[in-house]
Amino acid sequence: AQTVTQSQPEMSVQEAETVTLSCTYDTSESNYYLFWYKQPPSRQMILVIRQEAYKQQNATENRFSVNFQKAAKSFSLKISDSQLGDTAMYFCAFMKHRYSGGGADGLTFGKGTHLIIQP
Amino acid sequence: ETGVTQTPRHLVMGMTNKKSLKCEQHLGHNAMYWYKQSAKKPLELMFVYNFKEQTENNSVPSRFSPECPNSSHLFLHLHTLQPEDSALYLCASSQDVGGVHEQYFGPGTRLTVT
Repeated sequence: AQTVTQSQPEMSVQEAETVTLSCTYDTSESNYYLFWYKQPPSRQMILVIRQEAYKQQNATENRFSVNFQKAAKSFSLKISDSQLGDTAMYFCAFMKHRYSGGGADGLTFGKGTHLIIQP
Repeated sequence: ETGVTQTPRHLVMGMTNKKSLKCEQHLGHNAMYWYKQSAKKPLELMFVYNFKEQTENNSVPSRFSPECPNSSHLFLHLHTLQPEDSALYLCASSQDVGGVHEQYFGPGTRLTVT
């Protein structure tokens, strides 16, 4: 079984600052995927960024980037130039790799980090 | 309608009631999921359906009964629930192709059991 740990229940930064959210995971799988999801007050879960474990290059999406350390089983999210709209719960999630046609698999989530961007 | 929709958005029910949650995806996906989000706990996977077949039941009590009549619709039938079942129930869908199955979530149903 997989576990995902987010050790920061809440973080608060000023607008335009850079913030890093931490995530560690435990698995015996060698091939898997990691995700960061954002859940604003509306409760709609939105995919922020994903990382394939077989890729050494860290994923980036505009202001969002990850620091993926496979050996350390660490997957942190960096938000640059933070904006008020970034205020939300952020969840780190793990999924085992499935080959095409191999069926679907659920996500294992961490408890989340509540990020507050102050004006 | 686009994406993943869920109805109702809010539901209050007594412990002896029977109700159903509905999820519909308009993305052409072939896999659908139910998750439970309780306060102070991580999201918990409940059920997985792939091509209408249930492939995972994550030790969910029998008072929760899923139904997937086709790849676009997913139901969660509820009966004789307990107050601790009050939570946000999230539906998601994904496409089973080529490895990464990004899951797209609906807005959730906020369930309160009285």
